[in-house]
Amino acid sequence: DAGITQSPRYKITETGRQVTLMCHQTWSHSYMFWYRQDLGHGLRLIYYSAAADITDKGEVPDGYVVSRSKTENFPLTLESATRSQTSVYFCASSATSGTRTDTQYFGPGTRLTVL
Amino acid sequence: DAKTTQPNSMESNEEEPVHLPCNHSTISGTDYIHWYRQLPSQGPEYVIHGLTSNVNNRMASLAIAEDRKSSTLILHRATLRDAAVYYCILRDTFSGNTGKLIFGQGTTLQVKP
Repeated sequence: DAGITQSPRYKITETGRQVTLMCHQTWSHSYMFWYRQDLGHGLRLIYYSAAADITDKGEVPDGYVVSRSKTENFPLTLESATRSQTSVYFCASSATSGTRTDTQYFGPGTRLTVL
Repeated sequence: DAKTTQPNSMESNEEEPVHLPCNHSTISGTDYIHWYRQLPSQGPEYVIHGLTSNVNNRMASLAIAEDRKSSTLILHRATLRDAAVYYCILRDTFSGNTGKLIFGQGTTLQVKP
């Protein structure tokens, strides 16, 4: 049972480069999410997706692009990386429609450093 | 969104019970109380949730005050593997529309052998 995986686990890049973080889940969950975690801010939602080809912005979407052509994949792209995007990125998925009782399952995270 | 307040840190001895408090004085009648934890260098994981009644599962118990303005996560026998940051989160109608979880700072639990 692979669950939810993220790749790469660690990434170092330079300012201005494009970076794509991958997220894959094996449960066929409808909902998927991208969060970032920074010291002093906790986890904040970047983007989410209710189903394939349906995505929407979260709290901090600027500088990020997402796509969801297949249910199991939800890649996050930094089109032109900035130092402020240095963070730990977590992908999550949920089976139900985002109700008050659903459970989210998180991946192991990607630690991104932008030099 | 309704807010939660948790102590920044707590300590426990191994194999002793741990009571992690959470205050949510502005909770609405339809808010569910969720707990997640984050082990070192890992993503958050679900622990338990409840609405009004106390809840038990294999990981923990959740005790909810009668007025629902506070709750307590109970780990019956803490192990070293329970050392983590514990987040108390309210799921309201608004966040339910997107499914997003609103994480605060949480309580860092240290477990001493």
